[in-house]
Amino acid sequence: DADVTQTPRNRITKTGKRIMLECSQTKGHDRMYWYRQDPGLGLQLIYYSFDVKDINKGEISDGYSVSRQAQAKFSLSLESAIPNQTALYFCATSARPSGRTQETQYFGPGTRLLVL
Amino acid sequence: SQKIEQNSEALNIQEGKTATLTCNYTNYSPAYLQWYRQDPGRGPVFLLLIRENEKEKRKERLKVTFDTTLKQSLFHITASQPADSATYLCALVYNQGGKLIFGQGTELSVKP
Repeated sequence: DADVTQTPRNRITKTGKRIMLECSQTKGHDRMYWYRQDPGLGLQLIYYSFDVKDINKGEISDGYSVSRQAQAKFSLSLESAIPNQTALYFCATSARPSGRTQETQYFGPGTRLLVL
Repeated sequence: SQKIEQNSEALNIQEGKTATLTCNYTNYSPAYLQWYRQDPGRGPVFLLLIRENEKEKRKERLKVTFDTTLKQSLFHITASQPADSATYLCALVYNQGGKLIFGQGTELSVKP
């Protein structure tokens, strides 16, 4: 089974609708992230969470909100979807850095979102 | 703000040749730099990490160099194979425990 899962894998919605993308991980990592990817623009950080009680905005948080329901779960919500939020969304996890671990991120398979 | 630039044009090479991908950054040097591979429609997968005090790192057919004077990292795939075709992303971290900042990626195509 995959270590980082995302649901749904594909979603079509209409402008103004509220939608939620979910991420679960079985890696036991403290840190979780949400990115969006647009063609030619690489990965942009939306929100990140270093533990259950710690949530931080990334580069492009406007129009998005998150919830860290448990160490293993991190959800991304679009309160009122708009067409320019059409993108590929990735969840990622990483362990807390220590002398033995590095800041490697493990990505989920992605959610392809289309906002009409 | 910090900028990261990778070759925006796709790189096309013949099987068996060495592929070299470039990652340039501005301003101050990161604590370390990572390279990821991404296949179409899938999440990035970690390949290699190199720290600011390291010049070179190797893993099988992969080699990464880090030149803090030139503010550049090079990623090499020797004896390339069609299965190496993918997009390769570089990512920087500016302090231990900080966030990753990703480049836009370079698409590599290896022809048989």
